[in-house]
Amino acid sequence: ETGVTQTPRHLVMGMTNKKSLKCEQHLGHNAMYWYKQSAKKPLELMFVYSLEERVENNSVPSRFSPECPNSSHLFLHLHTLQPEDSALYLCASSLRPGVAGELFFGEGSRLTVL
Amino acid sequence: QKEVEQNSGPLSVPEGAIASLNCTYSDRGSQSFFWYRQYSGKSPELIMSIYSNGDKEDGRFTAQLNKASQYVSLLIRDSQPSDSATYLCAVNRDSGGSNYKLTFGKGTLLTVNP
Repeated sequence: ETGVTQTPRHLVMGMTNKKSLKCEQHLGHNAMYWYKQSAKKPLELMFVYSLEERVENNSVPSRFSPECPNSSHLFLHLHTLQPEDSALYLCASSLRPGVAGELFFGEGSRLTVL
Repeated sequence: QKEVEQNSGPLSVPEGAIASLNCTYSDRGSQSFFWYRQYSGKSPELIMSIYSNGDKEDGRFTAQLNKASQYVSLLIRDSQPSDSATYLCAVNRDSGGSNYKLTFGKGTLLTVNP
């Protein structure tokens, strides 16, 4: 395994379901990020973890709950989502916490909320 | 509101021509600038970063930065059909500090015609 891997790649869930997105990075990076990408909108930063500590929570609704058990793994727990939450969720990592622009992205998890 | 503006395109150029992609930003405190390429159905990939005024060349790609005009551009020489993608401009306020908020533009769709 190399780079940043995300699972599942596609997810369909109802508004009452609970699911989780998983991200794993094999690059030895110290910072991990969740971004949301919706059609015709810029990439939106959701959460940042630096050395396993959450350093950024970008006004994300509480129905999204991140977890970073170690520097290689990042989860996004989803519950009671809304249809407008349907989007591509991208995990990214960067080598040093301060170098936020040099991101390595995973392939993304395409989420559809019915 | 800190914004990054890009022409959404599509920008269509013939194979072998120079493609010029432009980006303006509103935050005068911006210090780091990045270009990401995103193929359809794929995740963004960092292709250029620039931190100082002037030009930075990497193969067929040249990034140009003018902080006084709050303008950053990406030139692709000898454009190939494989360059057809959406190009995302991203801006960070700090040049390696603790600001994790990378602000993205909506991207410019480039099509290179054989």
